[in-house]
Amino acid sequence: DAKTTQPTSMDCAEGRAANLPCNHSTISGNEYVYWYRQIHSQGPQYIIHGLKNNETNEMASLIITEDRKSSTLILPHATLRDTAVYYCIVPRNAGGTSYGKLTFGQGTILTVHP
Amino acid sequence: DTAVSQTPKYLVTQMGNDKSIKCEQNLGHDTMYWYKQDSKKFLKIMFSYNNKELIINETVPNRFSPKSPDKAHLNLHINSLELGDSAVYFCASSLTAGGQETQYFGPGTRLLVL
Repeated sequence: DAKTTQPTSMDCAEGRAANLPCNHSTISGNEYVYWYRQIHSQGPQYIIHGLKNNETNEMASLIITEDRKSSTLILPHATLRDTAVYYCIVPRNAGGTSYGKLTFGQGTILTVHP
Repeated sequence: DTAVSQTPKYLVTQMGNDKSIKCEQNLGHDTMYWYKQDSKKFLKIMFSYNNKELIINETVPNRFSPKSPDKAHLNLHINSLELGDSAVYFCASSLTAGGQETQYFGPGTRLLVL
């Protein structure tokens, strides 16, 4: 996977937007940016992914810079249940045969407080 | 309906024993994975099967042997358990084996070797 860099931890007040940054300066042109999260004691959960354009779904928005070297995951109205470790991953797509090997880094520990 | 399920949820056993963990997915996916999350919380891929065929085999001791009886099931058998095998094991699945596929994770099996 392309290397990603995320802050170790972030805090957010309940009801406010949580903006989680990720740097992926070595990303290749056809590689997607994926975001997963892991709530304590649960399995990782897919959030969103994108290639070039900004994406939005029922969970979050993903903003990717024009040069694609960084992105921001936005949780528009964070709740206490959004407290989790958030992982930004760029799966390597070498000729389409990378076989889905996700490399999880340390991620960002997001703490949402009342 | 649970998409990716694992049994057992907890497993406590003695060193030297042999144990199996089972995983089933009802998503109709072709590809399944085993990940290990150690005490430092790093998630690492161990194996992947696509249509019952092994396609990823990371540097894992021979004591670990995955088996896929059909594409909806991927089991993990561990021989001669060691203290260092204590971890949370997550199963996951994706539609295909391509590098850019979203993966869906099970709830994990917490293995404690005494």
